[in-house]
Amino acid sequence: EPEVTQTPSHQVTQMGQEVILRCVPISNHLYFYWYRQILGQKVEFLVSFYNNEISEKSEIFDDQFSVERPDGSNFTLKIRSTKLEDSAMYFCASSDRAGLTGELFFGEGSRLTVL
Amino acid sequence: QKEVEQNSGPLSVPEGAIASLNCTYSDRGSQSFFWYRQYSGKSPELIMSIYSNGDKEDGRFTAQLNKASQYVSLLIRDSQPSDSATYLCAVKKSSTLGRLYFGRGTQLTVWP
Repeated sequence: EPEVTQTPSHQVTQMGQEVILRCVPISNHLYFYWYRQILGQKVEFLVSFYNNEISEKSEIFDDQFSVERPDGSNFTLKIRSTKLEDSAMYFCASSDRAGLTGELFFGEGSRLTVL
Repeated sequence: QKEVEQNSGPLSVPEGAIASLNCTYSDRGSQSFFWYRQYSGKSPELIMSIYSNGDKEDGRFTAQLNKASQYVSLLIRDSQPSDSATYLCAVKKSSTLGRLYFGRGTQLTVWP
């Protein structure tokens, strides 16, 4: 069964460092998303991406964050100058269609720990 | 006001019973509704989607939607210990392009 894959599964970094989280969406999907979940809290939307540009972003997704699709398969989230409060599980998701009926399928997540 | 609200639980039911999970949402522009299951430390896994008022059944799962009451529920029949997880309610609104708004989830425990 097709699945979204994410790397790394866990990354530990020092405050102020840059991290890149990688995702390979399901192959025929065109809509890509990043969500995060701080421990014990709800899953929160960060950004959606389609046709090589950001479709929508939340208030969390500020200048510290960026996304990129550097090739035909990978979708990355870059976090510059990490802060302690960036520690969370980051989920990539993909969908084969946009709009109200598009179902999102999530990867296993990348746990980011900022020390 | 929170976009999506769920009872945090924990909800505890015996094996074989019906588990009933509830969710309310604040924005009447919400049009699509999803139930995800999340095991501890794992990612959300899509169980059901529902778009129209009424019931939608898939195996042991039934989703119910009442847009007038801004209420969506998930029933799990013949609950199994393997159903023990946190169940997340998520909605999409017509005003956004595909963004999911999640509730905090209801923790379900099914005991043998």
